[in-house]
Amino acid sequence: QKEVEQNSGPLSVPEGAIASLNCTYSDRGSQSFFWYRQYSGKSPELIMFIYSNGDKEDGRFTAQLNKASQYVSLLIRDSQPSDSATYLCAVKTNSGYSTLTFGKGTMLLVSP
Amino acid sequence: SQTIHQWPATLVQPVGSPLSLECTVEGTSNPNLYWYRQAAGRGLQLLFYSVGIGQISSEVPQNLSASRPQDRQFILSSKKLLLSDSGFYLCAWSPSLKGLKAGELFFGEGSRLTVL
Repeated sequence: QKEVEQNSGPLSVPEGAIASLNCTYSDRGSQSFFWYRQYSGKSPELIMFIYSNGDKEDGRFTAQLNKASQYVSLLIRDSQPSDSATYLCAVKTNSGYSTLTFGKGTMLLVSP
Repeated sequence: SQTIHQWPATLVQPVGSPLSLECTVEGTSNPNLYWYRQAAGRGLQLLFYSVGIGQISSEVPQNLSASRPQDRQFILSSKKLLLSDSGFYLCAWSPSLKGLKAGELFFGEGSRLTVL
């Protein structure tokens, strides 16, 4: 059974701070990792994906991957109240077709 | 550009009634299509996925079924709803790619189902 674990939160940070969201996965065969943002009552939207060990930066977002430790994280710099949402970690195993296993998500609250 | 639509957005159904949720994708051909369910306190659960017309893979045994009558149309159905079927149903599509970068999902607006 492939599992993706996230702390449900809420993670509360003040505006302007760095938010750090973490995710661990059980399947060592996992190859691609995705972070989705989901506002309350809305559908998820992709923020970033990563498949190589190390860091990947995109604006205020940095995804970090450590395959040896089987964890992936998302850092949000200069957090804004508009970043308040649930962040879903998703993992794709090295199979031919694109099926993702999602974690339950971490709720992030950014206070002004 | 590609768009995905699903409907209805909200529905309230009695236990034992049938269900039909529909999803269509525009602006692409031969997409991979998915139905996910998000229940309260639970993560996104993959219900069905399809890589082509008439090709349906089921991930979770349940009283739901899916069909893909056309390349860009995906339908989720049930003959008799259970209380446990309540949740937020999401249709999604992805390009029909394989490999490391494959897996980017584009979600529809979602259908919120309440079974009473």
